Amino acid sequence: GAGVSQSPSNKVTEKGKDVELRCDPISGHTALYWYRQSLGQGLEFLIYFQGNSAPDKSGLPSDRFSAERTGGSVSTLTIQRTQQEDSAVYLCASSQSPDRNYGYTFGSGTRLTVV
Amino acid sequence: GQSLEQPSEVTAVEGAIVQINCTYQTSGFYGLSWYQQHDGGAPTFLSYNGLDGLEETGRFSSFLSRSDSYGYLLLQELQMKDSASYFCARIAGNMLTFGGGTRLMVKP
Repeated sequence: GAGVSQSPSNKVTEKGKDVELRCDPISGHTALYWYRQSLGQGLEFLIYFQGNSAPDKSGLPSDRFSAERTGGSVSTLTIQRTQQEDSAVYLCASSQSPDRNYGYTFGSGTRLTVV
Repeated sequence: GQSLEQPSEVTAVEGAIVQINCTYQTSGFYGLSWYQQHDGGAPTFLSYNGLDGLEETGRFSSFLSRSDSYGYLLLQELQMKDSASYFCARIAGNMLTFGGGTRLMVKP
């Protein structure tokens, strides 16, 4: 696609429920990143996928968070037993790794609200 | 804690020049990028510095000094539409680590 697509754009869920967030990166981009942004804050790294390599999960805040990337393209971030502190905007980005000069292209994010 | 430090807020008038500074931790440092984010929008890539010196792209320029672990984003001929948050981001390995962002308010 022309850009990074994320769905849903907004998600309201009850505390304790599981949620799945989807990211469709730019075609041909081998690197895919998930970040989290709380209101008025910077971006917090969650997880990184590069081609067929094992993902870098060092940013996942707890074992309730997991992500997968199927066929080197679409990625799903799953949050189990959601908590109110999980409320944030979840941003996905892709890049033509390793050419850093072109930067990362971000999707518009999924705004998650846990009530 | 933050591995990059940048001011939380800057105010300037339309037509002026503003500089947003960023200092970073050097461990594994590869390069420094800058991103712009309007309220409710996605971060968009502005520039990348892998080497010392100035990179210019239209009204925006970015500078890096590895010896000082310091960089800045320079915005010239400010326009109202430049009101946004600006993030410096440190590239180390394959990871992009963001600063807390600088909220720029451009006034008429």
